[in-house]
Amino acid sequence: DAKTTQPPSMDCAEGRAANLPCNHSTISGNEYVYWYRQIHSQGPQYIIHGLKNNETNEMASLIITEDRKSSTLILPHATLRDTAVYYCIVRAHNDMRFGAGTRLTVKP
Amino acid sequence: EAGVTQSPTHLIKTRGQQATLRCSPISGHTSVYWYQQALGLGLQFLLWYDEGEERNRGNFPPRFSGRQFPNYSSELNVNALELEDSALYLCASRATGALREKLFFGSGTQLSVL
Repeated sequence: DAKTTQPPSMDCAEGRAANLPCNHSTISGNEYVYWYRQIHSQGPQYIIHGLKNNETNEMASLIITEDRKSSTLILPHATLRDTAVYYCIVRAHNDMRFGAGTRLTVKP
Repeated sequence: EAGVTQSPTHLIKTRGQQATLRCSPISGHTSVYWYQQALGLGLQFLLWYDEGEERNRGNFPPRFSGRQFPNYSSELNVNALELEDSALYLCASRATGALREKLFFGSGTQLSVL
């Protein structure tokens, strides 16, 4: 599975959009991009995943660049409860391996 | 629908002892994953079971082992415990045959080795 690179931390003001980037320049054609988040000491929670088209659900939007080498997770109106570590993962068929993620802090 | 359940919630052991952690996947899920998360660190992949077979393991010594039962529940065994094994151990399950589907995580077992 391809490796991902994320910034270690980011801040966002409450009510504003949080845009979390992920670089996956070695992604291959059959690998999906997944996003999970982990709120302090809880098990990670699935957010969204996609292959090449942009995706949106009730939690977030996923924007994947045309060359698929990077993606952005967008939380449209961040709340204090969105403070968490966000993991970007690229995988095809194998086990799901998490990197260090981005620690997002939403501030009032 | 019940989620992924893990037991015990907390476990305290001393160095050299053995620990057994248990995981019950969501009904209908046949894949179980185990992860270790030391304090302040990311999730480290331990083991992946599917249909009763070990499919892959992470970079951990052989004293970390496990198994999956016919009802798809799973056990993680850690032998000869060391202080650095203190961590949150998370279990996740995934639906049958759905390789690209999401993982559902349990709340974890906090293992403390004294």
